[in-house]
Amino acid sequence: DIVLTQSPVSLPVTPGEPASISCRSSQSLLHSNGIDYLDWYVQKPGQSPQLLIYLGSSRASGVPDRFSVSGSGTDFTLKISRVAAEDVGVFYCMQTLQLPLTFGGGTRVDIK
Amino acid sequence: EVHLVQSGAEVKQPGESLTISCQGSGYSFSTYSIGWVRQTPGTGLQWMGRVDPYDSHPNYSPSFEGHVTMSADKTLSTAFLQWKSLRSSDSGVYYCTRMDGHSSENWGQGTLVTVSS
Repeated sequence: DIVLTQSPVSLPVTPGEPASISCRSSQSLLHSNGIDYLDWYVQKPGQSPQLLIYLGSSRASGVPDRFSVSGSGTDFTLKISRVAAEDVGVFYCMQTLQLPLTFGGGTRVDIK
Repeated sequence: EVHLVQSGAEVKQPGESLTISCQGSGYSFSTYSIGWVRQTPGTGLQWMGRVDPYDSHPNYSPSFEGHVTMSADKTLSTAFLQWKSLRSSDSGVYYCTRMDGHSSENWGQGTLVTVSS
């Protein structure tokens, strides 16, 4: 199975400031079609997880453009350009390259 | 609008059987696979597998194969996750997801399963 390692585990943030979350994969997630098969999900308090980013860098419907992803292959970074109070939650990366699909351990983002 | 509505919370004893459900609406149910994800405090999010509602064909994660059964009834727009013999380690929240390719585009509200003697 592909193992995803996220860091940090916990990330206190200040509204309006930028934030970054790392996701490293035990195998390259770059397909021969040039697409990285990595998704990002966020689970806000009391809610189900929701899709944030799919196929490497595509934002899901309704996701603000302050969210972006950089990196390819085995190293990825989810960036929030200016953290909003509503961004509090646990962020997960998930590889969609091969079955079984696997998740990272999660990064908890909260307000300082 | 896409909705996935799951059945309610369950409390069971070890060894008992259980089936939970996930009903989809707002889209063509047969067109998209339904995935199942378990969430526990100790192991985080785990992808259990998926079922194709068109022919009820499942793909299981090796970690869950042989212990759960996934199926779907396209006439009811409903997918099912079944255990014949529960263990205490099966306790957790179970989510169904509508999968577009391998991405989980929509999620149900979750079903809490508690297995305890």
